[in-house]
This record gives sequence, C-alpha cells and structure tokens, in this order.
Amino acid sequence: DVKVTQSSRYLVKRTGEKVFLECVQDMDHENMFWYRQDPGLGLRLIYFSYDVKMKEKGDIPEGYSVSREKKERFSLILESASTNQTSMYLCASSSLTSGAYNEQFFGPGTRLTVL
Amino acid sequence: AQSVTQLDSHVSVSEGTPVLLRCNYSSSYSPSLFWYVQHPNKGLQLLLKYTSAATLVKGINGFEAEFKKSETSFHLTKPSAHMSDAAEYFCVVSETTNDYKLSFGAGTTVTVRA
Repeated sequence: DVKVTQSSRYLVKRTGEKVFLECVQDMDHENMFWYRQDPGLGLRLIYFSYDVKMKEKGDIPEGYSVSREKKERFSLILESASTNQTSMYLCASSSLTSGAYNEQFFGPGTRLTVL
Repeated sequence: AQSVTQLDSHVSVSEGTPVLLRCNYSSSYSPSLFWYVQHPNKGLQLLLKYTSAATLVKGINGFEAEFKKSETSFHLTKPSAHMSDAAEYFCVVSETTNDYKLSFGAGTTVTVRA
C-alpha cells in the first residue's frame, strides 16, 4: 500500500515563527502536493512538485514556500506564521505511471494552530 | 477551467436507508471524476473514480456513482447506510486523465442516525 506520512498530527506555533511541515511518501511517486483544508472550502492547492527541485504554485501560494531535495520528501514552509494560516494541512502524492491516472494518495494531515 | 459543486453541505440518514450525495461539475474537456471520503481525524481515501470507461462506477464499501454527461453530474449513492459511513465526502474533478491538478468540492458531511 502507498503510505504518505506527515511529521506532526498537531502543531501549535506563535505568530511570526518559521514553521516546517514535512511529508514523506514511500512509493517512488513523481508528484507531491500540499493542500490546506478549511471548513466549507474543501481542499485548496498551495504548491505541487513534479520532480526533485521542481515546484509550481497552486491556487493559494502566498505566505508559503516549499522544498523538495529528495524524491520522497516534500516540505512546506511558513516563513512567518500568521493566524490566518491556522488550518489543516494535507500532503498527497501521485504517480505518472501507475495507470491510475491522477489519483492522489493522502497523508493523515497536520492541524496547525497559530496563536 | 474545471469546478465542482456539491449540492448539499450536510446529509443526515438513518442506518439501513439509502444515501445520495449530489455533485455537479464543469469542465472544458473530458474530465476524470473522483469521490474521496475523510473520516474524522484521518486523511482522504479514494472511494471511486471515473476515467471515461463505464459510466456506472463501483467503489469500495458498497458505494457507486454514475457519470451523466448530459446533466454534468456525478452523484454518489449507497443502497443501505452503515454507521461507519459517517464522514465527510468530497467530489473531485480533473480536466484530463493526464492532468495533475484536482479541483475539490466543498464537501458533504454525512451523519448516520441509529
């Protein structure tokens, strides 16, 4: 089974702190994604990466950056956390060659609270 | 551009009765369509997907969905609800079968009454 793990389930940070959210997948997937999930808004794409060191902005990249130094790991960085970044963050991965088209596999999520 | 509208934000059913979750989509091309389920404090799990093969798609846990191009709909159904079906459900569209980008509906929360 595909496994996507996220470094923390719950995280509490202060306004202005630099925050790192880590995601690791074990299926050699090319694509990795970061979403935020807010009630009534579904999931919104922050950034995605289709290869090591490659990244593209999603729908809501402002206030975030990402890093992908290894194929299995994709990090989301909040350079200076703000209260409006309090949310659930979900990481996902997908393969170009799985035959499942663009089915994405999700991690359990990190619930971030910024005080 | 693609988009998804889930017509109900909350659905409440009695155990053993049918479940219907409604989803309409818009897409400029032939879409791929998915339903994902999220149980409390868990990540999203794929229930089923449509990728231009059979229009009636069967998924896990007794769920199925029918793709109706003329109505631009992809409604999710289950004949008999179980308590374990209580969760949030997301309808998702992708523009083409090779497109990485998914567009998510706002979600439908299902409550199952004993």
